[in-house]
Amino acid sequence: DQQVKQNSPSLSVQEGRISILNCDYTNSMFDYFLWYKKYPAEGPTFLISISSIKDKNEDGRFTVFLNKSAKHLSLHIVPSQPGDSAVYFCAASVASFGNEKLTFGTGTRLTIIP
Amino acid sequence: DSGVTQTPKHLITATGQRVTLRCSPRSGDLSVYWYQQSLDQGLQFLIQYYNGEERAKGNILERFSAQQFPDLHSELNLSSLELGDSALYFCASSVAGEPYGYTFGSGTRLTVV
Repeated sequence: DQQVKQNSPSLSVQEGRISILNCDYTNSMFDYFLWYKKYPAEGPTFLISISSIKDKNEDGRFTVFLNKSAKHLSLHIVPSQPGDSAVYFCAASVASFGNEKLTFGTGTRLTIIP
Repeated sequence: DSGVTQTPKHLITATGQRVTLRCSPRSGDLSVYWYQQSLDQGLQFLIQYYNGEERAKGNILERFSAQQFPDLHSELNLSSLELGDSALYFCASSVAGEPYGYTFGSGTRLTVV
């Protein structure tokens, strides 16, 4: 049972344009959401997160939007740069002490076209 | 360098064999997590240790086991290896009690032939 889903395995975007990566979840207990970025031959690195008490969190070029009623979140990258080419994983957790397990989606490979 | 160290980086072994993957967490992190990433799959949670004790278990096969030692490093033992066990195995660590994301190591690529 895939509780966190990223339905687009890949996405190509022109440099300078907006990249939008989507993620859906099924477990209504999830209350903390994160995006990770992964380059080849490296481990995933934390990018941005959002708590369920918010619907938007911004950090520079990266913004995450959360729609709890739709159980959907998205990552916006504006403007997209060549260095953003990577695999992006959406992850979710239940924010309780002792249960920091993250459930990951299958990832979306983003390619920025110069 | 993320501060989480995994060794070895690459491992090639035959079916039926046993291997041990090692992870040293970031300084001060008490929790260690193991994840498996198979081809075209997401990161599948295997197991979590907190300060030497097992805290949570995911889709970990009975042939796999892990432990966390007093110095907080962790080992993942994979036995009776099958071709399907070929994957990237990631270790991550975090400050306990905060679901604010982990720091991952660069992974061990296991190839079973």
